[in-house]
Amino acid sequence: AQKVTQAQTEISVVEKEDVTLDCVYETRDTTYYLFWYKQPPSGELVFLIRRNSFDEQNEISGRYSWNFQKSTSSFNFTITASQVVDSAVYFCALSIIQGAQKLVFGQGTRLTINP
Amino acid sequence: DTAVSQTPKYLVTQMGNDKSIKCEQNLGHDTMYWYKQDSKKFLKIMFSYNNKELIINETVPNRFSPKSPDKAHLNLHINSLELGDSAVYFCASSRHRGSSGGTDTQYFGPGTRLTVL
Repeated sequence: AQKVTQAQTEISVVEKEDVTLDCVYETRDTTYYLFWYKQPPSGELVFLIRRNSFDEQNEISGRYSWNFQKSTSSFNFTITASQVVDSAVYFCALSIIQGAQKLVFGQGTRLTINP
Repeated sequence: DTAVSQTPKYLVTQMGNDKSIKCEQNLGHDTMYWYKQDSKKFLKIMFSYNNKELIINETVPNRFSPKSPDKAHLNLHINSLELGDSAVYFCASSRHRGSSGGTDTQYFGPGTRLTVL
């Protein structure tokens, strides 16, 4: 069975601090995809990144960076110099190829950036 | 230009009623999904359609019936609403994976908050 675990339920930091959101996944598939989505207080789900299981290169996009390590089955997300607008619930998800792309989500991490 | 839209955004109804939520996407995708987000924010897939064909049907009560009139629309009809159906329902869409087996990103609608009284 596939599973995604985000052990950090809530994180609270002061603006400009760096913060890392952890994500650990379980799957027996050799080919899979990992995603991060952001859910701001307004409620919509915003796609942030997709990574396939063959590509372990870290990715940086502005203040966001992602560290994918197959050896530890982790796909962690770091926000550098956090801002109040980063406050949201962040979801890590695993994609199973089963006819269609079924996303299995972690429980989410609520990130609060305090001014 | 809204990519994935849902109506209504809020739905408040009495137990036992029947209600529908509509979803439309203008991304040209051929696969659409319904997810349920419970009060603890946990997201779980309910259904998936590809070109109007049901391809994923999780263990959802048969009071829930999805309908896809065409590949740009996926509606969710719920009969005999129960208190436990209160949740946020998200529609999503993606391109179907091609022969390469690649998985495409799912883009989500704004959600419909259903409250059953």
